Amino acid sequence: SQKIEQNSEALNIQEGKTATLTCNYTNYSPAYLQWYRQDPGRGPVFLLLIRENEKEKRKERLKVTFDTTLKQSLFHITASQPADSATYLCALGGYNTDKLIFGTGTRLQVFP
Amino acid sequence: NAGVTQTPKFQVLKTGQSMTLQCAQDMNHNSMYWYRQDPGMGLRLIYYSASEGTTDKGEVPNGYNVSRLNKREFSLRLESAAPSQTSVYFCASSEGSSGSGELFFGEGSRLTVL
Repeated sequence: SQKIEQNSEALNIQEGKTATLTCNYTNYSPAYLQWYRQDPGRGPVFLLLIRENEKEKRKERLKVTFDTTLKQSLFHITASQPADSATYLCALGGYNTDKLIFGTGTRLQVFP
Repeated sequence: NAGVTQTPKFQVLKTGQSMTLQCAQDMNHNSMYWYRQDPGMGLRLIYYSASEGTTDKGEVPNGYNVSRLNKREFSLRLESAAPSQTSVYFCASSEGSSGSGELFFGEGSRLTVL
């Protein structure tokens, strides 16, 4: 069955450093991949989308890569700030469907 | 602009009771979704609706029913609640039609079944 894996352990980094989160998947050929941010007690909020024919996408301090050979996406936050502390979810979408399958998320803690 | 609105925000039920979670969106989106989120399990799709009048099962549909009342509203019903349905439920919407668009989520409904 389809499986999406994100680091279950929290990622702790110092302010100003680059945070890198990983999303791996198996038994799936996604048409696109999305990243969301979720704060405690809130619903997820969309950050970035990358399609299967794109290698990299950037938005301000955020960068996403997508390697369909490795079946992996990397999510980078450069010059991280304490306000970036949250849980980050990756989600995969298929062809001709609007359904998204989500990973379990990785909690990021940025310390001053 | 309210976005996606879910009610109620909190609910406590006894085993066997029924209830309906309501969801409405004001963005004229075609697709609507119900997810549940449990610790360590991530977001799991319960049901999905691509358009008014259509619904489709997700990963974990057992014990739930849905109704796409109109383009704006998508409700989730628990006919006979079980403790295993204790969870946080999120409604979401997107433009749909395989546009790979972003999902807009509500703030969640926290359900406890005793």
